[in-house]
Amino acid sequence: ETGVTQSPTHLIKTRGQQVTLRCSSQSGHNTVSWYQQALGQGPQFIFQYYREEENGRGNFPPRFSGLQFPNYSSELNVNALELDDSALYLCASSSDRQAFFGQGTRLTVV
Amino acid sequence: RKEVEQDPGPFNVPEGATVAFNCTYSNSASQSFFWYRQDCRKEPKLLMSVYSSGNEDGRFTAQLNRASQYISLLIRDSKLSDSATYLCVVNMKDTGTASKLTFGTGTRLQVTL
Repeated sequence: ETGVTQSPTHLIKTRGQQVTLRCSSQSGHNTVSWYQQALGQGPQFIFQYYREEENGRGNFPPRFSGLQFPNYSSELNVNALELDDSALYLCASSSDRQAFFGQGTRLTVV
Repeated sequence: RKEVEQDPGPFNVPEGATVAFNCTYSNSASQSFFWYRQDCRKEPKLLMSVYSSGNEDGRFTAQLNRASQYISLLIRDSKLSDSATYLCVVNMKDTGTASKLTFGTGTRLQVTL
């Protein structure tokens, strides 16, 4: 067990809706990263939070946003969902060198 | 050009075979390197870190060639349970204090009887 928990595990949304995904990070890790993994692809970096501030962002539009809380848990928000947003969303909490992933949230947009 | 490139496979090998995966990365300033394993519909899990001196963990051996920007993973005496996708991962150190991981597409391995 990695100690990283994501919720929900599965979700179905309609195009145009908004979604919030949650992640509770491993104790002692102040950095949380979010990744999107489409079918047959490797995870793609969305953004990272370090001590509640965004610290790096991948090639994702502004409708992907996030938050990190004082206890280092985190949220990923996606507005105006598109069909191509269907993917496995992974949260990783990390120390300086190693990342521990949650089990992911599988989002399906219909 | 992708930041991290891998042959997607699949590699179909019989049990007991030796199989090698290769990976190249484009950013010469990359700081650290890993192989992750991902089972179907599960999250990636760290298999091993990769060091310039090479490192071994049981049947698994990882190598890094910084000059060629090349990483390899060798699996000896393959087991059925080794069937998974193997992700090459590079740590791109940003200007901040933390860093992000860049993943390859993954190489799928299927070990058969």
